Amino acid sequence: DQQVKQNSPSLSVQEGRISILNCDYTNSMFDYFLWYKKYPAEGPTFLISISSIKDKNEDGRFTVFLNKSAKHLSLHIVPSQPGDSAVYFCAASYFSGTYKYIFGTGTRLKVLA
Amino acid sequence: DVKVTQSSRYLVKRTGEKVFLECVQDMDHENMFWYRQDPGLGLRLIYFSYDVKMKEKGDIPEGYSVSREKKERFSLILESASTNQTSMYLCASSPRTGQGTDTQYFGPGTRLTVL
Repeated sequence: DQQVKQNSPSLSVQEGRISILNCDYTNSMFDYFLWYKKYPAEGPTFLISISSIKDKNEDGRFTVFLNKSAKHLSLHIVPSQPGDSAVYFCAASYFSGTYKYIFGTGTRLKVLA
Repeated sequence: DVKVTQSSRYLVKRTGEKVFLECVQDMDHENMFWYRQDPGLGLRLIYFSYDVKMKEKGDIPEGYSVSREKKERFSLILESASTNQTSMYLCASSPRTGQGTDTQYFGPGTRLTVL
């Protein structure tokens, strides 16, 4: 039972345009949502997060939007750059004794120069 | 900079062998995690530890055990390796601030192949 889903395994975008990566979840008890970026042969690195009580968080070129009624979040990258080409994982956290994290399956983003 | 290191980048083992994957972090983090990453399945939590000698099962603990004797070191043990344990193994650590946004810092991963 996949509680955090990324339904697009891959996405290609032209340099300078907007990249939109989507994530759906099923559990209303998640407290925070996070995005991680992973380059080949490296571990994932934290990108941006959002609390479940917010609907938007922005950090430079990266913005995460949360729609709680639809149980959907998205990561917008504007403008996209070739260095953004990576696999992006959506993750959700919940508290059960300590905070635990559930990751999505990832979306491979390719930004074309 | 937080550094999480894993003992090997690539490892090839035979079915039935006992395998040790070591992870060390240098930021005095309370929490440490072991995940495996498989195509189409994302990152799945095997075990995590929130303190020395404390451990808790994740989503897929079968066939694995862990050891945390020192705060900075978290070991994943495959008691008897099987071919379905061929995967990328990722270790992570995070501080325990009581917030769900505690950033997890990942190591570079160990690609394990079991023949």
